[in-house]
Amino acid sequence: GAVVSQHPSRVICKSGTSVKIECRSLDFQATTMFWYRQFPKQSLMLMATSNEGSKATYEQGVEKDKFLINHASLTLSTLTVTSAHPEDSSFYICSARGTTVSTDTQYFGPGTRLTVL
Amino acid sequence: AQSVTQLDSHVSVSEGTPVLLRCNYSSSYSPSLFWYVQHPNKGLQLLLKYTSAATLVKGINGFEAEFKKSETSFHLTKPSAHMSDAAEYFCVVPYYGGSQGNLIFGKGTKLSVKP
Repeated sequence: GAVVSQHPSRVICKSGTSVKIECRSLDFQATTMFWYRQFPKQSLMLMATSNEGSKATYEQGVEKDKFLINHASLTLSTLTVTSAHPEDSSFYICSARGTTVSTDTQYFGPGTRLTVL
Repeated sequence: AQSVTQLDSHVSVSEGTPVLLRCNYSSSYSPSLFWYVQHPNKGLQLLLKYTSAATLVKGINGFEAEFKKSETSFHLTKPSAHMSDAAEYFCVVPYYGGSQGNLIFGKGTKLSVKP
């Protein structure tokens, strides 16, 4: 139980285009989802926290107009990287926390590798 | 403020020998603590978690960790390393020390396992 999926697993796009990444909780309802970014050989950095049906809360230094987060249902959150640039290339990981699974634990997706050319 | 410090950025062991990955935490009260593992280009998998029920916590794949308040430590151990244990390991504390809030990640320890 408590499986989180992400799609796509890898994406390559041209500079200036937008990319959408989906995060789904497959067998539980995710009241809260988190989006992280991981640079090579570094730890995870929290970008934003989203609660179902409300606006996401962004961490300091994260541009909310560039990284659009939507948490429209209890099983789906999306991260859209708008007008992507090469410096946005990174490994993006989502996690989810719900009320029907252990509430103090975040369950992570497998990550999405974004490469912007 | 809460924080975790992973004392080693890289640990190398031989297959079949014990594993010790060190983590110290800083918190003004007894926190929850987690260990996550990340294999190359993969997401994170929860190994184990401490939530004050027992100081010795057993996790998946033969790993365990002991919460020592006097030493503010939560070291991860395994009696015998396997090649498949080679990965990055993160010690994590919730931001608010309980079931609320976000996670604070240590910088990670890369475990290499030699044949």
